[in-house]
Amino acid sequence: AQKVTQAQTEISVVEKEDVTLDCVYETRDTTYYLFWYKQPPSGELVFLIRRNSFDEQNEISGRYSWNFQKSTSSFNFTITASQVVDSAVYFCALSEYSGGGADGLTFGKGTHLIIQP
Amino acid sequence: AAGVIQSPRHLIKEKRETATLKCYPIPRHDTVYWYQQGPGQDPQFLISFYEKMQSDKGSIPDRFSAQQFSDYHSELNMSSLELGDSALYFCASSPAGGMEETQYFGPGTRLLVL
Repeated sequence: AQKVTQAQTEISVVEKEDVTLDCVYETRDTTYYLFWYKQPPSGELVFLIRRNSFDEQNEISGRYSWNFQKSTSSFNFTITASQVVDSAVYFCALSEYSGGGADGLTFGKGTHLIIQP
Repeated sequence: AAGVIQSPRHLIKEKRETATLKCYPIPRHDTVYWYQQGPGQDPQFLISFYEKMQSDKGSIPDRFSAQQFSDYHSELNMSSLELGDSALYFCASSPAGGMEETQYFGPGTRLLVL
């Protein structure tokens, strides 16, 4: 069975600090997909990034970067120079490849990130 | 860009009543997913549809049913509502039969059962 663990329930930092959100996953499949979603206080789920299991290249998008390491089953998310608008709950999610598509996502419990001015 | 549309955005029902939630996917997306998010919880996958056929099934109660129509919109029908059904219900859509494509979420329907 697949599982996603986000051990950090809540993180609080001061604006402009860098912060890393941890995500550890478990799966028996060799082909799988990892995602990060942001849920601001308004409640919507905003897609941030998708990674395939066969692509371990790290990615940077502006102040956001992701570190995917299959050896440790981790897919960590770093925000550089954090801003108050980054305050939200961040979810890591996993989808195993079943061949039929349209598989549901398994989410971690989420990390509540608080950026203090 | 067009996003997933869900209606209604808010719904208040009494115990044992029924509720119907609607989802209109992003244009040219043929796959729809439903999730339930309780207060302070992570989203839980309920069910998905591709080309009007059920594709994957998660922890959907037997009291709930869903379908996808010819125009690809989907409806989640909930009967004999219980207090524990109070939650935020998300619909998501993806293109090309899922195939582990990215799921884009709608704004959610907030259901309160009294």
